[in-house]
Amino acid sequence: DTEVTQTPKHLVMGMTNKKSLKCEQHMGHRAMYWYKQKAKKPPELMFVYSYEKLSINESVPSRFSPECPNSSLLNLHLHALQPEDSALYLCASSPTKVTALGGYTFGSGTRLTVV
Amino acid sequence: AQTVTQSQPEMSVQEAETVTLSCTYDTSESDYYLFWYKQPPSRQMILVIRQEAYKQQNATENRFSVNFQKAAKSFSLKISDSQLGDAAMYFCAFIGSNYQLIWGAGTKLIIKP
Repeated sequence: DTEVTQTPKHLVMGMTNKKSLKCEQHMGHRAMYWYKQKAKKPPELMFVYSYEKLSINESVPSRFSPECPNSSLLNLHLHALQPEDSALYLCASSPTKVTALGGYTFGSGTRLTVV
Repeated sequence: AQTVTQSQPEMSVQEAETVTLSCTYDTSESDYYLFWYKQPPSRQMILVIRQEAYKQQNATENRFSVNFQKAAKSFSLKISDSQLGDAAMYFCAFIGSNYQLIWGAGTKLIIKP
């Protein structure tokens, strides 16, 4: 299995809702990443998990809360989002943070709309 | 700080023709990797080709090849025999000693039938 699977593919949520994005990989990768991507822009790094521990938090607002319950699963919990948080959220993985030199494997993303 | 520059916001090419996408980067490191990623409307970021900086030989993957000029810090992507399925956003990216991807702004590639 050489895929990163993200669910749901689309999500519409109100500003008072709580929702979660899910990312799963079964490649044995020990580094996982969350990115935010606005239309026609490159992805922006949000969080990096290395061996299930949060390694990097790129000054992301606390309304985004990541969680890595095991080596295959990465969640992004959303609460009290703003309309400007509407974007494509991409998950990626690499064998380890160091061997990310070979490149990342990306999921197909969750298109989030905040109303 | 490392930077990646793609100076062509949009390119178009006739189907079956050849197109070259430009990318330049800036770094003081000597050991790094460079990538071209493709993002079609389906949204998934797909690795097209990668180049290790220590390798002088240009990477090739079927119809995709790069022209890597390390001294000039240039990393262009050539797509031969363009196909309709090649239409996408193409991002050039760099990864160095901090193991994080640095992205260019992207080039939208349009294929004319």
